[in-house]
Amino acid sequence: GAVVSQHPSRVICKSGTSVKIECRSLDFQATTMFWYRQFPKQSLMLMATSNEGSKATYEQGVEKDKFLINHASLTLSTLTVTSAHPEDSSFYICSAAARDVGNTIYFGEGSWLTVV
Amino acid sequence: DAKTTQPNSMESNEEEPVHLPCNHSTISGTDYIHWYRQLPSQGPEYVIHGLTSNVNNRMASLAIAEDRKSSTLILHRATLRDAAVYYCILRDVRGAAGNKLTFGGGTRVLVKP
Repeated sequence: GAVVSQHPSRVICKSGTSVKIECRSLDFQATTMFWYRQFPKQSLMLMATSNEGSKATYEQGVEKDKFLINHASLTLSTLTVTSAHPEDSSFYICSAAARDVGNTIYFGEGSWLTVV
Repeated sequence: DAKTTQPNSMESNEEEPVHLPCNHSTISGTDYIHWYRQLPSQGPEYVIHGLTSNVNNRMASLAIAEDRKSSTLILHRATLRDAAVYYCILRDVRGAAGNKLTFGGGTRVLVKP
């Protein structure tokens, strides 16, 4: 079936540095992808909508200059956490809708970010 | 977004059925009822969806009330691998906005051996 893959699955970075997380749709094209954040024992919270070839749309309260999103192709969206701080440590998950597969939404495996 | 209400947690014994309720009293006519589950440290996984009629697939069954204000996900024989958080989500598939899913608290299912 359709697959969405994230990389890296786990990353540790120092406070103040930037880290990039990739989200790829492996066997379908996605004009729109979504980025979520999940803290331990909590539900997923939508951060932003990644639009291929245009600017991302951010949810209220999400800093667009801190969480940079680039959707340069129909199969790749990247989330860059800039000037990371320990409070940015979280599980980041992306999703994409596969139009050719009944419009089912598929999620990546998630990426654990730890800022030390 | 239309809201759903689910119990925080449920326990089941292995090999027994599990019935997970979901209330969605403000559902609109164009909302599909979707269920996803999330295993520990993984992204959510699609389980099943329906509009009005009951649905069955290899993973589960979905029973939808006649007034569509509630639904029940049925795992026919729970296994230890079914231990996860199950999310009931309403999705309006008109346009791209329907791809943006809003997650509630979900139900944490514990399966005892």
